[in-house]
Amino acid sequence: AQKITQTQPGMFVQEKEAVTLDCTYDTSDPSYGLFWYKQPSSGEMIFLIYQGSYDQQNATEGRYSLNFQKARKSANLVISASQLGDSAMYFCAMREGEVNTGGFKTIFGAGTRLFVKA
Amino acid sequence: GAVVSQHPSWVICKSGTSVKIECRSLDFQATTMFWYRQFPKQSLMLMATSNEGSKATYEQGVEKDKFLINHASLTLSTLTVTSAHPEDSSFYICSASPRGGRANVLTFGAGSRLTVL
Repeated sequence: AQKITQTQPGMFVQEKEAVTLDCTYDTSDPSYGLFWYKQPSSGEMIFLIYQGSYDQQNATEGRYSLNFQKARKSANLVISASQLGDSAMYFCAMREGEVNTGGFKTIFGAGTRLFVKA
Repeated sequence: GAVVSQHPSWVICKSGTSVKIECRSLDFQATTMFWYRQFPKQSLMLMATSNEGSKATYEQGVEKDKFLINHASLTLSTLTVTSAHPEDSSFYICSASPRGGRANVLTFGAGSRLTVL
C-alpha cells in the first residue's frame, strides 16, 4: 500500500502566485517526520522543509510553508510568490522508525512536477 | 552545513562488469547512510540502509548479492553493482544525516548516473 501519496503528477503556476502541492501519508507510528524535497533537472535533492508529528505549529521556511493536518494525514506544501527557478520536481517524504537508535528510514512519494510560467 | 559527496557522477560500463559508487560525508560522521535508486521520471526507491561496521539492511526485492554495500568507516559507504546489466541502468543516490542533527533530515549526494551497455 502506498504510504506517501502525491496525486498531482504536474502543476502549473503563474510567476509570483502561490501554489499548493498535495501530500497525504499513512502510518501507524505515533512518531514520524514529514519532509519536502526539491529536485531540479540536475538531479540533486534539496531539502526544503520539515514537520514533526508532535509539532503543534505548521513549519515555515522562507517562501515555503507546510500545511500539516494530522487528523487528515496530510502535509501539503505551499510555495508563495512563485519564481521561475521553482520549476522542478517536488517530493514529499516521511521518516518512520526510531530516530535515536538510527533505526529509521525515509520513503518518498511519486513526486509532483511544478512548472512556473512567466 | 552537512555535505555528502558522491562519486562518480556518471559512469558507462559494459554488461557483465562491476561498478563501485562511493558516498562520503565530508563534514560529519554518519553511522547510517541510505542508498536510493531512481528511474527516469519516477520517485526515489530505498534500496538499502548502510550501517557502519555491520551488514546493510536491504529492502524487499533488492538483491543483496547484486548490490553490495560496504560501510567501513563513519564517513564512507560504497555501493557496488556486480555483473551489471542494462536493466541496472539508473540514477543511484546516497544520503546521510548527521548524528544528533535536525530531525534526521537527509542530506543527499549529487547522485551517480549508471549506464550499462
